[in-house]
Amino acid sequence: DVKVTQSSRYLVKRTGEKVFLECVQDMDHENMFWYRQDPGLGLRLIYFSYDVKMKEKGDIPEGYSVSREKKERFSLILESASTNQTSMYLCASSFSGQGLNQPQHFGDGTRLSIL
Amino acid sequence: AQSVTQPDIHITVSEGASLELRCNYSYGATPYLFWYVQSPGQGLQLLLKYFSGDTLVQGIKGFEAEFKRSQSSFNLRKPSVHWSDAAEYFCAVLPGSTGNQFYFGTGTSLTVIP
Repeated sequence: DVKVTQSSRYLVKRTGEKVFLECVQDMDHENMFWYRQDPGLGLRLIYFSYDVKMKEKGDIPEGYSVSREKKERFSLILESASTNQTSMYLCASSFSGQGLNQPQHFGDGTRLSIL
Repeated sequence: AQSVTQPDIHITVSEGASLELRCNYSYGATPYLFWYVQSPGQGLQLLLKYFSGDTLVQGIKGFEAEFKRSQSSFNLRKPSVHWSDAAEYFCAVLPGSTGNQFYFGTGTSLTVIP
């Protein structure tokens, strides 16, 4: 089975801190994604990557950056955390295969609180 | 605007009853369609997917979904619900011709009464 591991289940940080959320997948997937999940809003795509050192903005990239130095690892960075970034963050990966139409496999999420 | 709509925010059913969760999309071409389930405190797990062919697709845990092009719908069904099915359900769409990102509905929360 595909395993997508997010480094922390719960994280508490302070306003203005630089925050790193790490995600690792073990199935050699080309594509990796970061979402945030908020009640009533579903999942919103922050950034995705379809190859090492490649990144694409999703719907809500403001206040975030990403890093993909190795194929298995995709990091989400909050440059200067703010309270409106308190949320559940979900990482996902997928096999490229015939394009990006492969299902995504998700980690268990990181619940981030910014105080 | 392109969108994925799950019109039911919350549904309550009795154990053993049948279930249908609705999903509508508004993309021009036939997209790729998915249903995911999220148990409390967990990530999303794929239930089933539709790419082409037979419009009735079978998934895990006894779920099925039917693609209806004329209604732009992809409703999820289960004939007999179990208490362990209580969870959040998300419909997701990958637009076919321009698909480079997934779009998720806002989710339907399912409560199962014993």
